[in-house]
Amino acid sequence: SSELTQDPAVSVALGQTVRITCQGDSLRSYYASWYQQKPGQAPVLVIYGKNNRPSGIPDRFSGSSSGNTASLTITGAQAEDEADYYCNSRDSSGNHLGVFGGGTKLTVL
Amino acid sequence: EVQLVESGGGLVKPGGSLRLSCAASGFTFSSYSMNWVRQAPGKGLEWVSSISSSSSYIYYADSVKGRFTISRDNAKNSLYLQMNSLRAEDTAVYYCAREVVGAKYDAFDIWGQGTMVTVSS
Repeated sequence: SSELTQDPAVSVALGQTVRITCQGDSLRSYYASWYQQKPGQAPVLVIYGKNNRPSGIPDRFSGSSSGNTASLTITGAQAEDEADYYCNSRDSSGNHLGVFGGGTKLTVL
Repeated sequence: EVQLVESGGGLVKPGGSLRLSCAASGFTFSSYSMNWVRQAPGKGLEWVSSISSSSSYIYYADSVKGRFTISRDNAKNSLYLQMNSLRAEDTAVYYCAREVVGAKYDAFDIWGQGTMVTVSS
C-alpha cells in the first residue's frame, strides 16, 4: 500500500485563489484524482488525470503535478466551493485506486 | 441518466453479516471495474474493494481482507459486497463507485448516494 498526505484544513477569501496539495510516493508514477464532498452528500469527481474536468465542473478548478506532489487549484473561489476535498491515486502495486488522502476541509471566508 | 443506487445497509451486531447491493443504470455496466468505498462517521474516505469488469481481478483493503467478498452480476447490472464477521470499526457509509480508466488516467467518476452500516450491540 502507500499513503497520500493532505493538509487537514485550508481557508481562502471569497474570489481568491487557493491551492490544495497532496503528497505521496505513488504520485511520482500515477496521476491523482480529486473529489469534492459536501456535508451529507456523496463525493464528486472534480479533476482526474493530468488536468481533466468532468462535464459540469467549473473551469475555476484545475490540477497539476510535480514530483511527489499533486495540487488542486481553485481560481476565484466561490462560497459553494466550501467542502472537503480528497485526493486519490493508485497504490504502490498499481493494481487498484486504493489510496485516498486524509482530506482537506476548505473554508471560504 | 447514469446512476448507482446502493441498498442493504442497516444495524447489525458485532460478528454478524450483511450484504450490500449496488444497482447500476444508464451505462454498460459490464464494461467497467467497480469499487466499494466507505466513510466512517466524521472521517475520511477509505477504499474497501474493487472488481474488474469480468470479475477476473479482485482486490481488498487489508482492513477487510478475509471478511468481505465483492462480486458482481453483469446480467443484472449489480454489484455486491458480502460482509461477514462485522466489527464496530466497520460502521460507515458504504458507497459504490464506477472506475473510469484512460490512457493516462483513472478515477471514480460516478458514485452512489451511499448506504449506512452500523455495527453495534
